[in-house]
Amino acid sequence: DGGITQSPKYLFRKEGQNVTLSCEQNLNHDAMYWYRQDPGQGLRLIYYSQIVNDFQKGDIAEGYSVSREKKESFPLTVTSAQKNPTAFYLCASSIDLAGPYNEQFFGPGTRLTVL
Amino acid sequence: AQSVTQLGSHVSVSEGALVLLRCNYSSSVPPYLFWYVQYPNQGLQLLLKYTTGATLVKGINGFEAEFKKSETSFHLTKPSAHMSDAAEYFCAVTLNSGNTPLVFGKGTRLSVIA
Repeated sequence: DGGITQSPKYLFRKEGQNVTLSCEQNLNHDAMYWYRQDPGQGLRLIYYSQIVNDFQKGDIAEGYSVSREKKESFPLTVTSAQKNPTAFYLCASSIDLAGPYNEQFFGPGTRLTVL
Repeated sequence: AQSVTQLGSHVSVSEGALVLLRCNYSSSVPPYLFWYVQYPNQGLQLLLKYTTGATLVKGINGFEAEFKKSETSFHLTKPSAHMSDAAEYFCAVTLNSGNTPLVFGKGTRLSVIA
């Protein structure tokens, strides 16, 4: 079955440690995205990538980093510079960024808790 | 730039009552519009979308939405609420000529009372 996988579902880390969240898709989509979700704040875009080896900052990129070395994979690193990293993180993909091809497909999410 | 406003962060309805979730967009050109649903601790799932053609769009789980250009609206409705409809709902907009990600509204949490 085609889709987006995020692992793990729950992740716990100590304060000051970097942590990498995995996102893989087998939909053959060019574009991929990372969102952060906090209670009552909707979705906030962290980074997105329109094509391999290229990515753009979203609205809240500070304290995060990404890479896009393969079409299928778009890992997100939450660095120690991120002041409030505890949140629900969602990965998504779309065929492209134009018009109807901008329809996004979402993974199940990773809940990160920093202790 | 396009934007989306969802009126009401929380809507509560009785089981069997009409569901109406409001979405207004701002765009200088015809947009593409989407409604997504999110159940607790899960990712978002597409409910329905408007691209071109018929302005009344039917989606999954008995939901539908009507694109009204004159009102710049894309409200989501369901004739009879079910307990399983309790979730968070997001409206989103994009443009055909755009090269940027979907713009999402802040979401509306729907509660269904037995």
